[in-house]
Amino acid sequence: AQRVTQPEKLLSVFKGAPVELKCNYSYSGSPELFWYVQYSRQRLQLLLRHISRESIKGFTADLNKGETSFHLKKPFAQEEDSAMYYCALSGRDNYGQNFVFGPGTRLSVLP
Amino acid sequence: EPEVTQTPSHQVTQMGQEVILRCVPISNHLYFYWYRQILGQKVEFLVSFYNNEISEKSEIFDDQFSVERPDGSNFTLKIRSTKLEDSAMYFCASSFYTDTQYFGPGTRLTVL
Repeated sequence: AQRVTQPEKLLSVFKGAPVELKCNYSYSGSPELFWYVQYSRQRLQLLLRHISRESIKGFTADLNKGETSFHLKKPFAQEEDSAMYYCALSGRDNYGQNFVFGPGTRLSVLP
Repeated sequence: EPEVTQTPSHQVTQMGQEVILRCVPISNHLYFYWYRQILGQKVEFLVSFYNNEISEKSEIFDDQFSVERPDGSNFTLKIRSTKLEDSAMYFCASSFYTDTQYFGPGTRLTVL
C-alpha cells in the first residue's frame, strides 16, 4: 500500500541552525515526491518537487530511491520558516493514480 | 498569479443536511481534486476529476459524496446527508497535468 511517513510531529530548532525534515515513502511504482508547506492561516503551497531538483527558500530535497526517502533540508533556518510541512507522493500503479500526503511536521524556528 | 478559490470559507450545517462546497480551479487546469483534513489529522485524498468524470476516488468518497463541474469554471463537492464526522477542512486543488497541484484556501465544514 502507498504510504508516506513523517516521523516527527514537531521539530524545534534555533534560528541559524540546520534543519532536516524527514520523509519516507512506500510505493510499488515510480512515484513523484513533493513537499508542501502551510504557513499559519494560509493555504497549502508547493515548496519542492523532486523532478525539478531546485532550491526554494533555501530548502532542498533529494530523492533517495534506495532508502525510499525524500528528506527536506535547509542549512540555516529562519524564523519565517516556521510552518507545517507535508511530504506528498503522486504516482500511478496498476490500480490507478495515487495521491498520498504524510501526516505533516510542524517546524518551529526559535529566535 | 492565478489561484484556486473556494467558497464559503466556513460552512456550518446540521447533521443530515446537504452541503455543497464550491471551488474555482485555475482556468487552464485540467485535473481537479478534493481533499479533507480532520482537525489534528493529515490531509486525505477524496477524489480526482478529469474530462468531466471521476478518475480516482478514495475509500472515504462513498455514496454520500458527489462532485460536479456544472459550468466549466466551478468544481463542487456535495455531501448529501452530513454526519458529525464530516466536520473537517476541505481543500480543492487543480493541476494542469497529474503533477503539481495548486490548493485553494479551504472550506471549514462544521456539522452540528
